[in-house]
Amino acid sequence: DIQMTQSPSSLSASVGDRVTITCRASQSVSSYLHWYQQKPGEAPKLLIFAASRLQSGVPSRFSGSGSGTDFSLTISSLQPEDFATYYCQQSYSNIFTFGPGTKVDIK
Amino acid sequence: QITLRESGPTLVKPTQTLTLTCTFSGFSLSTSGVGVGWIRQPPQKALEWLAVIYWDDDKRYRPSLKSRLTITKDTSKNQVVLTMTNMDPVDTATYYCARKWELGWFDPWGQGTLVTVSS
Repeated sequence: DIQMTQSPSSLSASVGDRVTITCRASQSVSSYLHWYQQKPGEAPKLLIFAASRLQSGVPSRFSGSGSGTDFSLTISSLQPEDFATYYCQQSYSNIFTFGPGTKVDIK
Repeated sequence: QITLRESGPTLVKPTQTLTLTCTFSGFSLSTSGVGVGWIRQPPQKALEWLAVIYWDDDKRYRPSLKSRLTITKDTSKNQVVLTMTNMDPVDTATYYCARKWELGWFDPWGQGTLVTVSS
C-alpha cells in the first residue's frame, strides 16, 4: 500500500497568516493527490483535486502544488473559518489512502 | 445536486454483522466511471478508506479488512450497501459514503453515521 505522511501534525496560526501543509507519499502518485478540509462534527469537504485544481466554490486563498511524492496545500491568508483539520488522499493506487491529518488551530 | 445519506444501526454488539446503506441522488451508478466509496473515522482519529464499488460492479477493498467487508449496489434504488462481519469495539467509528470520481477523489460526502460497537 502507498503510505501517506503529513507535516506538521498540528500548527497554531493567526488570522491573516500564510500556512503551508505538506504531504508525502511513500512512492510516486503522479498528480493523483487530493486535499480535504474537515471541521469538528462535519464530513470532510473536497478542497483541491489532482494536486492543484481548486474545487468549485472553494476560496482562491487555497492552493495546491506538487507531483510525484511531495505535495503542499497553502492557505495564503488564514481566515477564521479555515481552522480545521486537513487531510491528503492518494488515488494513484486502487487501494486509496489518506494522510494522518494536520490540525490548524488558533494561536 | 448530488447528495448521499448513510443509514444503519447506531449500536452493534461484538461479533455481530454491521449493515450500512448509502442512499444517493443526483447521479447514477450505471454511468461509466462512477463509483461510490465508504470511508470511516474512529473518534478523534484519521480517515480510513474501506471499500469502493464502480458502475461496472468492480469492487475494491481495504486489504486489512477485505475478509470482513462486502460492498454491493442496487442501481434501481440508488443505493450502495456495505456489510462488515465480526464487529469489534475497535470498529467504533463514523462511517461515511461518498461519490468517487474517475480520477479518484471523493466528493461529496454524506453526513456520516456513528456506529458504536459495545456489548
